[in-house]
Amino acid sequence: TAGITQAPTSQILAAGRSMTLRCTQDMRHNAMYWYRQDLGLGLRLIHYSNTAGTTGKGEVPDGYSVSRANTDDFPLTLASAVPSQTSVYFCASSDRPNNSPLHFGNGTRLTVT
Amino acid sequence: QKEVEQDPGPLSVPEGAIVSLNCTYSNSAFQYFMWYRQYSRKGPELLMYTYSSGNKEDGRFTAQVDKSSKYISLFIRDSQPSDSATYLCAMTYSGGGADGLTFGKGTHLIIQP
Repeated sequence: TAGITQAPTSQILAAGRSMTLRCTQDMRHNAMYWYRQDLGLGLRLIHYSNTAGTTGKGEVPDGYSVSRANTDDFPLTLASAVPSQTSVYFCASSDRPNNSPLHFGNGTRLTVT
Repeated sequence: QKEVEQDPGPLSVPEGAIVSLNCTYSNSAFQYFMWYRQYSRKGPELLMYTYSSGNKEDGRFTAQVDKSSKYISLFIRDSQPSDSATYLCAMTYSGGGADGLTFGKGTHLIIQP
């Protein structure tokens, strides 16, 4: 089934450690996104990429970095995790950066201790 | 301003009832409106995608947009226990790009058997 694959499904990470959340899509969508979802705060955009080779900052980019070396992959890296980064992280993609609906993965549940 | 307001619920209704879920927004530039359904521990999935004002029907679901009132609704007819989920509205405008997509915080819906 076509879609977005995120890995790992869940992770417990010690504060100060680094981690990369993986995201792969097989729909050949141009745009990809990373959101975090927190109770009471909803979905918040971390970083996005309108096309391979370009990235942009969203609403809450601090402490996170991304890269887009090719169309299919959009990894999210936490260089030095802090407890406030405990959240559920969703990767999404869309055919075009403007107006197209987003397709989401099933998320990575991250706990930073 | 990108604020979107959505009652978090929970909204609990008996099976078979008609459900009305709503969002209000303040940015008159929004033109594209979406409804997502999110089951527990899953990513949001697109339910409805509409442009400008009017109604769109898909099976038991009807999306309604009233741009003059800055108000959108999702109606679910003959509600089923399987409709129990969190429903998120989202909206954007032409040329809005990735950070032009604004989500409501979601309404938790419970359908009682």
